[in-house]
Amino acid sequence: NAGVTQTPKFQVLKTGQSMTLQCAQDMNHEYMSWYRQDPGMGLRLIHYSVGAGITDQGEVPNGYNVSRSTTEDFPLRLLSAAPSQTSVYFCASSYSSLDTKNTEAFFGQGTRLTVV
Amino acid sequence: AQKITQTQPGMFVQEKEAVTLDCTYDTSDPSYGLFWYKQPSSGEMIFLIYQGSYDQQNATEGRYSLNFQKARKSANLVISASQLGDSAMYFCAMREGFSGGGADGLTFGKGTHLIIQP
Repeated sequence: NAGVTQTPKFQVLKTGQSMTLQCAQDMNHEYMSWYRQDPGMGLRLIHYSVGAGITDQGEVPNGYNVSRSTTEDFPLRLLSAAPSQTSVYFCASSYSSLDTKNTEAFFGQGTRLTVV
Repeated sequence: AQKITQTQPGMFVQEKEAVTLDCTYDTSDPSYGLFWYKQPSSGEMIFLIYQGSYDQQNATEGRYSLNFQKARKSANLVISASQLGDSAMYFCAMREGFSGGGADGLTFGKGTHLIIQP
């Protein structure tokens, strides 16, 4: 099983450039999320989606766009990269369930992004 | 106010000893879930254990157990018989709003860096 796949694993951008971080999952999960991890800050939620065509903002959405055209894919777009967006980015997916079991989030391997 | 508080930035523990990692949470939602994740130096996030707000018993998964004290809003992770491979960052996280399927992602604490010494 591939699980959650993120590409690329590493990226260096110049200030002002745009790029898309890709995330795909093959578990038919309804929920998908993007997080960023900065030193000493833990993971913070950027955007999330509860199903195809539905997205919403998390704690730190500024400078990022998302869309969810299919269940499998949830790309994260940086419109105009800034040094403050240097971080490690994680994509995650999980089931939607009223049963409180089986709701763990499965994480991708992460993308280390540096903006210079 | 922080929703998830982990008060131990770092811990040193002797191999084979038991370890307790502290986590307190803050929510007014009656339906929530608490998670612990391990992040080794390689960077991946590894799910360890889950506790639902309505679960009557403390969760256990192998050497991991969760000491859930609902009235105190604490969800401490206990690792029994620690091993060198347990050295990693450990994150406590919460998802609010299971009722109606309203999950909006996880809120993480800042983590505890656990180092197991031989």
